[in-house]
Amino acid sequence: EAGVAQSPRYKIIEKRQSVAFWCNPISGHATLYWYQQILGQGPKLLIQFQNNGVVDDSQLPKDRFSAERLKGVDSTLKIQPAKLEDSAVYLCASGDWVDTQYFGPGTRLTVL
Amino acid sequence: QQQVKQSPQSLIVQKGGISIINCAYENTAFDYFPWYQQFPGKGPALLIAIRPDVSEKKEGRFTISFNKSAKQFSLHIMDSQPGDSATYFCAASDSDTNAGKSTFGDGTTLTVKP
Repeated sequence: EAGVAQSPRYKIIEKRQSVAFWCNPISGHATLYWYQQILGQGPKLLIQFQNNGVVDDSQLPKDRFSAERLKGVDSTLKIQPAKLEDSAVYLCASGDWVDTQYFGPGTRLTVL
Repeated sequence: QQQVKQSPQSLIVQKGGISIINCAYENTAFDYFPWYQQFPGKGPALLIAIRPDVSEKKEGRFTISFNKSAKQFSLHIMDSQPGDSATYFCAASDSDTNAGKSTFGDGTTLTVKP
């Protein structure tokens, strides 16, 4: 069974630029999560999708972050404009029901 | 407000020793408590999980102990091996109100010395 795929693996941008991350969940998984993991901290949920609907985006900075899940499968997370404090690893996870989540390798973002 | 507090931040254990990582939570609605293992450059991977209807769960060398009244749970790694060196995260979720949404601790970096 293929795991959660993410791209790119690394991204370096200047502040105020925009960036987008892509996630392909495990086939058949209805739930998809985006997490932000700052160095030395645990993952923090940004947004949770159930199929292509948003379940929870309470911690998503909506003035600069946006996310969508097309046709209930792939998802993109966008940051525009980026700030220095957005430097982190962005993790995508998927699950087929409550509780169990399978994480991708993450995208390491550096904002200069 | 940090709902899941994890300690210690780092831990060094000799090969063959016991590694113990502790977590405390505040939200009594939490009903699922997983532990994740993360290697550098990888995403977290589920290691073992417990629900509050049992006080202990064991899988191989890994054991979760759960104390509902104290709102604490811990991970014990028996016969620790150098390959166990990784960052460990506890998490907690409330299945009823936020299906699958997990609140994570800040992690414990475990180093097992050969």
